[in-house]
Parts: sequence; structure tokens; C-alpha cells
Amino acid sequence: AQSVSQHNHHVILSEAASLELGCNYSYGGTVNLFWYVQYPGQHLQLLLKYFSGDPLVKGIKGFEAEFIKSKFSFNLRKPSVQWSDTAEYFCAVNPYNFNKFYFGSGTKLNVKP
Amino acid sequence: DVKVTQSSRYLVKRTGEKVFLECVQDMDHENMFWYRQDPGLGLRLIYFSYDVKMKEKGDIPEGYSVSREKKERFSLILESASTNQTSMYLCASSPTGQGNQPQHFGDGTRLSIL
Repeated sequence: AQSVSQHNHHVILSEAASLELGCNYSYGGTVNLFWYVQYPGQHLQLLLKYFSGDPLVKGIKGFEAEFIKSKFSFNLRKPSVQWSDTAEYFCAVNPYNFNKFYFGSGTKLNVKP
Repeated sequence: DVKVTQSSRYLVKRTGEKVFLECVQDMDHENMFWYRQDPGLGLRLIYFSYDVKMKEKGDIPEGYSVSREKKERFSLILESASTNQTSMYLCASSPTGQGNQPQHFGDGTRLSIL
């Protein structure tokens, strides 16, 4: 079965610190990759997505992610976090031409002002 | 903008009751999904549907069934609710194709089974 691993379950940072959240997946074929964010009390929203091309993708709110095929990884980064980035972040993998999505267990980010 | 609407934000039911969770999307998406979200476990797929009257089991279908009589509506049914089904339930939709379109999520239904 496919699996998606997010090794950091809870991350606490101060404002202006840099962020990197790890995501690894087990599927060996072509994949589409996503990061979603869930702010407190809100629905999941798309942060960014990778389908093909440049492995460094930029999303909303200054987030970016890098797809490293050889490592089966899609790590999320932000150079300088803000208090408003406090949320839970989910990595998702969608095998190409397949309608199912596989989600990681999520990482809760707490940014201290 | 895509709108996925779940009928209730909060729901309290009793053990043994039959429970219906409703989800409606307004973007003519072919695919619809039901997940449950539990702390530390992320989102786990219960069922999904890729067309009207079509359904496929996800990773944790036991104790649940679904209904999709119209393209825009996807219902999750707890046949006989049990306390271990207390959870946050999320509905999502996406267009069909090469799967390179993201899912759009509803606000969720927090269901408590007493």
C-alpha cells in the first residue's frame, strides 16, 4: 500500500525562523504532489502542487517545496515564518492517472510571536 | 471558486443510530471523497466515488456506506453508529482526468457518538 510519511508531528518556531517540513512517500511511479494547510477552525486549503517540470515549486504565502525524485521526497520550506502560519500542514500524493490521494499524518506548526 | 458544503459542522448522535452526513459541491466535479481526520493519523479515506452511482472503498470502509444519486451530492452513512466513529469527517471533490487537479475540501463535520 502507498504511504506518506511526515516525520515532524509538532514543530515550534519563533517568528522569522526558517521552516522545513519533511514529506516522503513510497510510490515508485509518477506522482502528483501537494501540500495542504489547515488553519485553526478552517477547511484544508491548497498551498502548492507539483505535476511536472521544475522540481522547485512556489505556492501561496511565500511557501515553496522541492521534489527530489531520487529521495521520494517533497519537503515544504519557508525562509521566514510568521505567527499567522500557525496551522497544521499535510502532504498528499496522487499516483498519476489514479483518482486516489494519500495523505501524511500532518505536522502541527506553532509559531510564537 | 469551488464550494464544497457539508450539511453540519457539529453533530451529536447516540450509539446504534443510523447517521447521515451530506456533502454537496457546486463545480460539476466527477470525483467525490469522504475522509475521517483523527489526531496523529492525518486523513484516512473511507470511500470515494468517480461518477454517479459509482463508489469504491477506501482504506477504512468498515461500518460505513455511501450514496451518490446525483453528481453534486455524496452522502456518508453510518449504519449503526459506534463510539469509535467519533471523529472529524471531511468531504472533498476533484475533477477527473490525469489526477493532477487538487482536491477541494468542505469545512468538516465534527461527529460525536455518545
